[in-house]
Amino acid sequence: DAEITQSPRHKIIETGRQVTLACHQTWNHNNMFWYRQDLGHGLRLIHYSYGVHDTNKGEVSDGYSVSRSNTEDLPLTLESAASSQTSVYFCASSREVLGEQYFGPGTRLTVT
Amino acid sequence: AQSVTQPDIHITVSEGASLELRCNYSYGATPYLFWYVQSPGQGLQLLLKYFSGDTLVQGIKGFEAEFKRSQSSFNLRKPSVHWSDAAEYFCAVGMDSSYKLIFGSGTRLLVRP
Repeated sequence: DAEITQSPRHKIIETGRQVTLACHQTWNHNNMFWYRQDLGHGLRLIHYSYGVHDTNKGEVSDGYSVSRSNTEDLPLTLESAASSQTSVYFCASSREVLGEQYFGPGTRLTVT
Repeated sequence: AQSVTQPDIHITVSEGASLELRCNYSYGATPYLFWYVQSPGQGLQLLLKYFSGDTLVQGIKGFEAEFKRSQSSFNLRKPSVHWSDAAEYFCAVGMDSSYKLIFGSGTRLLVRP
């Protein structure tokens, strides 16, 4: 069965360190998205990609970067982690740009 | 600016009672509309979606939602709630003008035995 996976599921890092969160999907979807979920804010879009080598900034992109070298993967990098980036991060993919999004299980990131 | 509002942060209902979760959006044209459910520690799962056609849509787990253009609403309903429905529910709206989904802040459903 096709799926979308995220790793690690939990991560604790120190302020100022770099970390990369992995997202891998086997749906063969062109569209992939990264969100963060914080209490009272729902899901906020960080970055998104409509295909290989395409990346775009979302509403809360500061401090984050992504790259898309193949269809299956969209890794999210925090260049210099800040405590404000403590959150739960979700990756999603979709076949159509405004179609149903399939979500991964999430990564809980704590920046100390 | 385009926005999605879920006015109820928490809702508590008794098992077997009916449920309605509210969702309002701000957008000039007809949007693409979705309801997702998130169980604790899990990702989001699609309950139902509306793109066009019949304004009453049926979803999984006995849920339905009705698109009302005049009220800019897409409320989620279930006639009889089960304890397993306790979760967080998110309304999402897709707009041609931005080619992205905008999520509401969510409504947490608690079910009394």
